[in-house]
Amino acid sequence: KQEVTQIPAALSVPEGENLVLNCSFTDSAIYNLQWFRQDPGKGLTSLLLIQSSQREQTSGRLNASLDKSSGRSTLYIAASQPGDSATYLCAVSLDSNYQLIWGAGTKLIIKP
Amino acid sequence: EPEVTQTPSHQVTQMGQEVILRCVPISNHLYFYWYRQILGQKVEFLVSFYNNEISEKSEIFDDQFSVERPDGSNFTLKIRSTKLEDSAMYFCASEEGLNSPLHFGNGTRLTVT
Repeated sequence: KQEVTQIPAALSVPEGENLVLNCSFTDSAIYNLQWFRQDPGKGLTSLLLIQSSQREQTSGRLNASLDKSSGRSTLYIAASQPGDSATYLCAVSLDSNYQLIWGAGTKLIIKP
Repeated sequence: EPEVTQTPSHQVTQMGQEVILRCVPISNHLYFYWYRQILGQKVEFLVSFYNNEISEKSEIFDDQFSVERPDGSNFTLKIRSTKLEDSAMYFCASEEGLNSPLHFGNGTRLTVT
């Protein structure tokens, strides 16, 4: 059974720092991996989608990497800003079906 | 930018009552989903819908749950007889095609008393 784990559960850093969020999954047979952002009381916003054949994706200050064989993905945020404060979730889509299996998220606080 | 809209934003109901949660997916999207998130827990998959039928459902999606796309724009989730443990945030999502980013609505917070 696929399990998705995110470390750390919470992270607080000063504005301007670069940071890395981690996601690991137990079954490497994934179809894709997505990183989402969740703001309090709001829905989930897709940040980056990495297909199983890809190694990384970039969007602005965000870079996500995928190492399928080791079951790991990282989300790198450069030059963090207070507006980046949110919970970041990773989710994997399995080869056998297309439902997403979710991690518990990392709650990120960027201090001004 | 087109977005997924969900109504109501908050629904309070008594145990045993029926509720219908409504969603309007993005118009050119083909795949539709319901997920839920119990407070403090992970997001959980409920059901996926494609070509006017359920393509996949989880163990959570038992006989008390049903989905419909009655008019080509709305996508509804019905819970026939709510239980206390159905209290959660329910998210609707849609995507243009498989392996496309998933677009979520802001959710409906369901409180069963």
